[in-house]
This record gives sequence, C-alpha cells and structure tokens, in this order.
Amino acid sequence: AQSVTQPDIHITVSEGASLELRCNYSYGATPYLFWYVQSPGQGLQLLLKYFSGDTLVQGIKGFEAEFKRSQSSFNLRKPSVHWSDAAEYFCAVGATYNNNDMRFGAGTRLTVKP
Amino acid sequence: KAGVTQTPRYLIKTRGQQVTLSCSPISGHRSVSWYQQTPGQGLQFLFEYFSETQRNKGNFPGRFSGRQFSNSRSEMNVSTLELGDSALYLCASSLTSGSSEQYFGPGTRLTVT
Repeated sequence: AQSVTQPDIHITVSEGASLELRCNYSYGATPYLFWYVQSPGQGLQLLLKYFSGDTLVQGIKGFEAEFKRSQSSFNLRKPSVHWSDAAEYFCAVGATYNNNDMRFGAGTRLTVKP
Repeated sequence: KAGVTQTPRYLIKTRGQQVTLSCSPISGHRSVSWYQQTPGQGLQFLFEYFSETQRNKGNFPGRFSGRQFSNSRSEMNVSTLELGDSALYLCASSLTSGSSEQYFGPGTRLTVT
C-alpha cells in the first residue's frame, strides 16, 4: 500500500522568506500526489496535484511542487511566504487504480513570523 | 458551484450511543470518501462510495459503516461509540473513483463523553 512521510512536524519562517515543505512517498508505481492545506477548524483545501507529465506543478496561492521520482519526493515550495499562509499542510498519495483511498502524511504545521 | 457540505458541524454524544453524519457532495460528483482526523493518528481513510457501492474500506472496525444514495449524498454511521471515536470526520467528493482530485467539506467535529 502507498504511504507518505512528512519529516518536519513544525516549521517557522519569516514573512517574505521562501518556504520548502518536504514530502516523501512510497508506492510501487507512478503515484498520484497532492498537497492540501488546512486552517484551524476547517476542512482541507487542495493546493496542487501531480498525475503525470511535467514534474513541476503550479498550484493556487503561489505554491508549486516538484515531483522527483529518483528521490520519491514531492516537495512544496513558495518563494515568498505571507502571514496568511500559516496553517497545516498535508501531502497525500493516491493509488493509481480504481478507488480513492488516499494516504496522508502526518502534516507540517507552518508558523509565519512577522 | 456549492462546495461539499457536511451536517451537523458539531456533535456531542455519550459512550455507547450511535451517530449518523451526512455529506452532500459537489453537484455532479459521484464519489464520496470519508476520513477520520485525530491528533494521534492523523488523517485516516474510512471508506469510499461510488454509484451507491462501497469501493474500498480502510482499517476500521465494523462499527463504522456508510451508505450512498442515488443522488450521491452519503451518510456514515458509527455505532456503540467509544471515547476514541472523538475526531473530526471529513467527507470528500470527486467526479469519479480512481484517485481523481478530492474536494473536502468542513468536517463534523464529534465529541464522545
């Protein structure tokens, strides 16, 4: 079965600084990969997804992620963080067969310093 | 288009009771998946329904069950509630089954006392 590891439980960055959140996955074939963001007390919002093709994917709110098959990674990046980006971020992997069983990482909580 | 809606948003139940949570997917979406989110276990897949059929089930006891109606709305039921069932229950909808992108509702916060 597929699995996801997010090595960083909590990251603090200054407003305006760049951001990279790490995600490593385990899956036997080319996975479907997702990044979601969750604000306190809210559901999850899809930031971006990778299914196939170009390994650099652009998402909403200025986020991008790069799929690296050799490293089994799908790291999320943003060049300049805004205070409103403070939230919890989840990487997820979906199996490439006929169901929607998605496995999530433990999440990375982002704090933004003024 | 309206997003995924879940009712109720908050619920307090007593151990041993049962509870039913409801989810209305985005219009046109036929797949509904349910997830449990807790501080200790994180986000865990419960089950997925597509065209009124359960497509896949996570590693949860039989006390957790669900169903989907012909209009794609879904309900999940938890019987004989335990303290450990306290969690945020999230519903996600997608156009089809097969790891297409899923859109989440705001969740139902269940507290078991």
